[in-house]
Amino acid sequence: QKEVEQDPGPLSVPEGAIVSLNCTYSNSAFQYFMWYRQYSRKGPELLMYTYSSGNKEDGRFTAQVDKSSKYISLFIRDSQPSDSATYLCAMSAIGQGGKLIFGQGTELSVKP
Amino acid sequence: NAGVMQNPRHLVRRRGQEARLRCSPMKGHSHVYWYRQLPEEGLKFMVYLQKENIIDESGMPKERFSAEFPKEGPSILRIQQVVRGDSAAYFCASSPTSGKGEAKNIQYFGAGTRLSVL
Repeated sequence: QKEVEQDPGPLSVPEGAIVSLNCTYSNSAFQYFMWYRQYSRKGPELLMYTYSSGNKEDGRFTAQVDKSSKYISLFIRDSQPSDSATYLCAMSAIGQGGKLIFGQGTELSVKP
Repeated sequence: NAGVMQNPRHLVRRRGQEARLRCSPMKGHSHVYWYRQLPEEGLKFMVYLQKENIIDESGMPKERFSAEFPKEGPSILRIQQVVRGDSAAYFCASSPTSGKGEAKNIQYFGAGTRLSVL
């Protein structure tokens, strides 16, 4: 079993839709949770960063962490064609030197 | 403020040759991480370095791969005697040297080096 599970998609939505992206994990020691966006043949770009449980909002993006369920989510409101990319969840545990464990990534396509 | 710089962006090697990938962290960062991304897979951790020290190399293959981060100059990921299975995108990330505890865990990625082994 992978430490971090993420549905690879692809996920296709119409412009303006609300997008929900999710990851589950098995290691209860994870405390830091991140979402990265990666355009084709580019490097990952940090979108959201959350420590421990709770919600965080930044513009059209909301990240949620539910440590009791070992489940994290990223919501994108009013999705735009420019949001079309692969979204990677990543997490790390205290005392592991910042090593990030990534999900496989979900490929998102927002259709005009 | 320049981001994480990786070069070359693309590297083609024949089987048995050596590949050297370079990474300059963001200004003010002294922690460097290397990750590998195989086609259709997520990023896999390889190694974590600070200046002149390897902190965690648990993701590095035992043979042919090595990494360094000298006192002066960029971090180098070196792959000796490359094989076709080494073809992948290699990403470098850096994180801050100081700051609040949480911020120190944020990693910023470079654009990657795409290695193709013929």
